[in-house]
Amino acid sequence: AQSVAQPEDQVNVAEGNPLTVKCTYSVSGNPYLFWYVQYPNRGLQFLLKYITGDNLVKGSYGFEAEFNKSQTSFHLKKPSALVSDSALYFCAVRDRRQNFVFGPGTRLSVLP
Amino acid sequence: DVKVTQSSRYLVKRTGEKVFLECVQDMDHENMFWYRQDPGLGLRLIYFSYDVKMKEKGDIPEGYSVSREKKERFSLILESASTNQTSMYLCASRSGQTKIHQPQHFGDGTRLSIL
Repeated sequence: AQSVAQPEDQVNVAEGNPLTVKCTYSVSGNPYLFWYVQYPNRGLQFLLKYITGDNLVKGSYGFEAEFNKSQTSFHLKKPSALVSDSALYFCAVRDRRQNFVFGPGTRLSVLP
Repeated sequence: DVKVTQSSRYLVKRTGEKVFLECVQDMDHENMFWYRQDPGLGLRLIYFSYDVKMKEKGDIPEGYSVSREKKERFSLILESASTNQTSMYLCASRSGQTKIHQPQHFGDGTRLSIL
């Protein structure tokens, strides 16, 4: 069965520093991977997706993600963190029924 | 922009009550979904629908049912609410099967408390 792991419950980073939020996946067949962000008291917002092609995917708000097939990872990155990036981040993979399986989420705190 | 609207942001109900959570989307999407979100567990799929009057069980359907009488509206029903159904409920929609790589669009959620 498809599954997603986010090994860190919490990531803290200083404003202006690069950030990485980790995601690993387990799928049979080709992986279709997504990142979402959730701000307080809001629903999830789509950031970016990997379907095929370049391993580095660019998305909204300056975020990008690197797909690594050999390590079955899809880590979210940003070169310079903003305080406003503080939120809950979810990695997701498409399952056999074409629905999404979400990871448990990683809380990102960007400190001023 | 796609707009997914959930009728209530906060809801408090009592054990044993029948509870209705409503969701409406304005982009003519075929697919609609109901999730519950609990800390440390991420999002878990309760029910989904690929078309009007069609419904499929997700991963945790027990204690819930759904209704989709119109394309834009997808209702989640707690038949007899219990305290373990206290949670954040999220509705989402997505374009149909021919666009399966499209992301889901989410509402802002309903925080439901069962007393």
